[in-house]
Amino acid sequence: TQLLEQSPQFLSIQEGENLTVYCNSSSVFSSLQWYRQEPGEGPVLLVTVVTGGEVKKLKRLTFQFGDARKDSSLHITAAQPGDTGLYLCAGAETSGSRLTFGEGTQLTVNP
Amino acid sequence: NAGVTQTPKFQVLKTGQSMTLQCAQDMNHNSMYWYRQDPGMGLRLIYYSASEGTTDKGEVPNGYNVSRLNKREFSLRLESAAPSQTSVYFCASSAGQGNGYTFGSGTRLTVV
Repeated sequence: TQLLEQSPQFLSIQEGENLTVYCNSSSVFSSLQWYRQEPGEGPVLLVTVVTGGEVKKLKRLTFQFGDARKDSSLHITAAQPGDTGLYLCAGAETSGSRLTFGEGTQLTVNP
Repeated sequence: NAGVTQTPKFQVLKTGQSMTLQCAQDMNHNSMYWYRQDPGMGLRLIYYSASEGTTDKGEVPNGYNVSRLNKREFSLRLESAAPSQTSVYFCASSAGQGNGYTFGSGTRLTVV
């Protein structure tokens, strides 16, 4: 079983601060996906990174895939209360369509 | 588009009762999945169906069965519910390898 470890598990910051969430594994993944989940809803896909070293930007969110395709990070610039939620990383196995999810990072951005 | 629709949204069962969670997607996706989400344990795969007509066990299949009724529908059955099955259950679908998942809004199940 491929495992993904996310850190930190909980993060509470003030509006305007920057933050980084990490997703690490000893396994190689064909791609890495990031999801955001709000209370009472299912996770929603934010981005997929496929190539080692790839960087993708989505407004104030920057996603990076490690060179060895074993780890990823999510950086949020100038966080806003609307960014509050559970952020999940998920690694795609090298064959098949299954994803392995990390335990998530619960982010709270206070006004 | 509705995406992925799960029913029911909430359910309370007594130990030993059975029930079926329904899931349907309207995106013509090949693959469908059932996950459970528990505090501190993330999303764990129960069963999945890579394509119509196939089903496979995931990480935590014990106590569950599934049916891929057609390309749109993938149901999860609890034959004899146990308190350990109290959880939030999510159905998801994807176009296949390398594609993102679309999740339903979940079923919150409590077994007493």
